[in-house]
Amino acid sequence: NAGVTQTPKFQVLKTGQSMTLQCAQDMNHEYMSWYRQDPGMGLRLIHYSVGAGITDQGEVPNGYNVSRSTTEDFPLRLLSAAPSQTSVYFCASAPSTTGVFHEQYFGPGTRLTVT
Amino acid sequence: GQQVMQIPQYQHVQEGEDFTTYCNSSTTLSNIQWYKQRPGGHPVFLIQLVKSGEVKKQKRLTFQFGEAKKNSSLHITATQTTDVGTYFCFSTDSWGKLQFGAGTQVVVTP
Repeated sequence: NAGVTQTPKFQVLKTGQSMTLQCAQDMNHEYMSWYRQDPGMGLRLIHYSVGAGITDQGEVPNGYNVSRSTTEDFPLRLLSAAPSQTSVYFCASAPSTTGVFHEQYFGPGTRLTVT
Repeated sequence: GQQVMQIPQYQHVQEGEDFTTYCNSSTTLSNIQWYKQRPGGHPVFLIQLVKSGEVKKQKRLTFQFGEAKKNSSLHITATQTTDVGTYFCFSTDSWGKLQFGAGTQVVVTP
């Protein structure tokens, strides 16, 4: 199993550009999520999904869109990049969220710089 | 709303010493998880605590969940250079809110 994969590893955007960060998992996990990590602020939840066709907002959703058309994939779209979106982005997945929340498996991250 | 505070933010430890990092919540938690992130890496799951007063050990690491399920601690004995990294707690509350603490960055000097 590859686990959770993310592409690209690094990306530089100009303000106003759009792009999609890709995330895929091969563990048949129902739960997938996107976090951003900024120095001194830990990981903040952007969007999450409890299954195909279901998405919801996290703590910091503004400026980002997601969709979940399959169990495996959960892309994150930046609609119009801003310097405040410069961050490291992690995708994570977990087994069913029914009952106790299970351990999350994280991808290697995407380091995004917006100039 | 739920606020999860993690202290200290930074911990400088000499090799062989013990240290503890704490995670404190203003509300009752359903469960708590701990993750470790090495420099330049991604968070890796360490443990999950669910029951009030629960204590779990992993070699030199001891994890504890408070009786009131509002706080948790991670204690590392005889710190080694391999313990370098940032330790995060992750919690879920009774409303389903998910939150990471800000993390404790651990630096170990030989």
